[in-house]
Amino acid sequence: DGGITQSPKYLFRKEGQNVTLSCEQNLNHDAMYWYRQDPGQGLRLIYYSQIVNDFQKGDIAEGYSVSREKKESFPLTVTSAQKNPTAFYLCASSPRGTYTEAFFGQGTRLTVV
Amino acid sequence: DQQVKQNSPSLSVQEGRISILNCDYTNSMFDYFLWYKKYPAEGPTFLISISSIKDKNEDGRFTVFLNKSAKHLSLHIVPSQPGDSAVYFCAASALTSGTYKYIFGTGTRLKVLA
Repeated sequence: DGGITQSPKYLFRKEGQNVTLSCEQNLNHDAMYWYRQDPGQGLRLIYYSQIVNDFQKGDIAEGYSVSREKKESFPLTVTSAQKNPTAFYLCASSPRGTYTEAFFGQGTRLTVV
Repeated sequence: DQQVKQNSPSLSVQEGRISILNCDYTNSMFDYFLWYKKYPAEGPTFLISISSIKDKNEDGRFTVFLNKSAKHLSLHIVPSQPGDSAVYFCAASALTSGTYKYIFGTGTRLKVLA
């Protein structure tokens, strides 16, 4: 079954610790994305990658880092520099070409205490 | 500055009636527009889309209308059903180096009353 897998579903961390969220896809998509959802603010783009070993900052990249060493994997690290890390994080992927939609994973709820 | 806006945070509609969700955008470079449906604690699922060369796209009970001159799109759901109750996000995108960068609105919570 093709899809996008985010793990874990729920994640708790202490303030000041870095944490890495996993995102894996077996759809053979070239592009991958990370979004953050906060109440009343919709989905905001953190980072995106169009190809292996390349990625670009989105609208709210500060305090986050990513890597794209493999086509199927796009992990997101939430660093201690992120001021408000508690949020729902969504990973997505899309194929190359015109008029294609993004496919989303089920999300990871990160709570920093 | 928000490039994609959904000005109605919520909407309530009676079962069987029409639901109309609206979305405005500011960037004239956007050429592909999408609607997603989302339940709490789940990822969004794709619903319907429209390219900038069209002004209407229909898929069953769902129709999306695009008014490029007004930079406005809308999603019509007819007839509305209780299972349609969810948060709906519109997204806009432009093709860059062969792939899209999707910008989302803030969402509209639709409640269909039985």
